[in-house]
Amino acid sequence: EAQVTQNPRYLITVTGKKLTVTCSQNMNHEYMSWYRQDPGLGLRQIYYSMNVEVTDKGDVPEGYKVSRKEKRNFPLILESPSPNQTSLYFCASSRGSFRGTEAFFGQGTRLTVV
Amino acid sequence: DQQVKQNSPSLSVQEGRISILNCDYTNSMFDYFLWYKKYPAEGPTFLISISSIKDKNEDGRFTVFLNKSAKHLSLHIVPSQPGDSAVYFCAASAEQGAQKLVFGQGTRLTINP
Repeated sequence: EAQVTQNPRYLITVTGKKLTVTCSQNMNHEYMSWYRQDPGLGLRQIYYSMNVEVTDKGDVPEGYKVSRKEKRNFPLILESPSPNQTSLYFCASSRGSFRGTEAFFGQGTRLTVV
Repeated sequence: DQQVKQNSPSLSVQEGRISILNCDYTNSMFDYFLWYKKYPAEGPTFLISISSIKDKNEDGRFTVFLNKSAKHLSLHIVPSQPGDSAVYFCAASAEQGAQKLVFGQGTRLTINP
């Protein structure tokens, strides 16, 4: 089954404790991206990757890091989480650019930073 | 600065009637638009898209209309069914910056039996 898998689904952590949210896709897609969803703001892009070792900032990259060492995986790293990073996070992948081709989303990771 | 706006946070429609969801954008460089549907505890799923060279695109019960001069698009669902109850996000992209989708805030649609 074609899918994007995120882990964990839920996470509560404390300020400053480094964490990683994993994302894996089994569709051999080149494009991958991370979004955060906040009430009243919709989905905002954090980082994206157009292929292995090619990543770039989206609209809200501050406080986040990513890496793309393999085509299928695109982890999101919070080196020192803060309460304003409490949000619902989605990973997405697409065969081509997100323009014109359907993006597939993971089920989401709800992160709470206390 | 919200470049894609969905000004109605929620919409309630009777089953069998038409649902109309609206979306406005400010960036004139946007030339490709998509609608995504999201159920609780799931990720968004693609619903329908439209290129700026068209003013209408249909897929079954779903039709998207684009008014470029007004920078406005709308999603029509006819007839509305209870399974259509979800949050709907409008998204836009530009040819330059094709790796980026800019999303609206979402509209929660509730279909009443």
